[in-house]
Amino acid sequence: EVQLVESGGGLIQPGGSLRLSCAASGFSFSTHSMNWVRQAPGKGLEWVSYKTSDRKTIHYADSVKGRFTISRDNAKNSLSLQMNSLRDEDSAVYYCAVSIEGHFAYWGQGTLVTVSS
Amino acid sequence: EIVMTQSPATLSVSPGERATLSCRASQSVSSNLAWYQQKPGQAPRLLIYDTSTRATGIPARFSGSGSGTEFTLTISSLQSEDFALYYCQQYNDWPRTFGQGTEVEIK
Repeated sequence: EVQLVESGGGLIQPGGSLRLSCAASGFSFSTHSMNWVRQAPGKGLEWVSYKTSDRKTIHYADSVKGRFTISRDNAKNSLSLQMNSLRDEDSAVYYCAVSIEGHFAYWGQGTLVTVSS
Repeated sequence: EIVMTQSPATLSVSPGERATLSCRASQSVSSNLAWYQQKPGQAPRLLIYDTSTRATGIPARFSGSGSGTEFTLTISSLQSEDFALYYCQQYNDWPRTFGQGTEVEIK
């Protein structure tokens, strides 16, 4: 069974930094592309970032480019998102999701990030 | 950026009836279109990918159709567990984009 468990969310002041993690199991993590997708409270889904299994290709949404960094450790079946210079509008539940041919086949339960002073 | 527009925002349907949800892309996404279901407090769940292929474990009452810029998700006979939010998503280009969602509510 595919399991994706996010952690690292919490309350952070504007301008601060936070690192999210996603622990993966139940599938071949090292051969799948991974994503972060977020959902602000009461709002829709917004794709944030993507990284291929070979770590050679990375994409970011314009809203986070230059502030967020996606990384992965295939040996540890782990995906991370380093978030710097956080803004109020970054407040959301952050999901990690497995890409298969572009669609998001599996999702974690999410971790809540609240940016507020 | 490809803008995905879903209609209607809210669909009121009685159990057992058919529900038809629409999704329009601002430019062609070929058949690179997926549908997700989300219930309150839960993560989204993949229903349909490549426009019309049901994901593993998804009942046959869910079907998808369309191509290019116009897509439809049909739920043939609504069950109680189907009342939820539905999102379409294109993966033909970067950034990946979602529609704003259609809420299917009990009439």
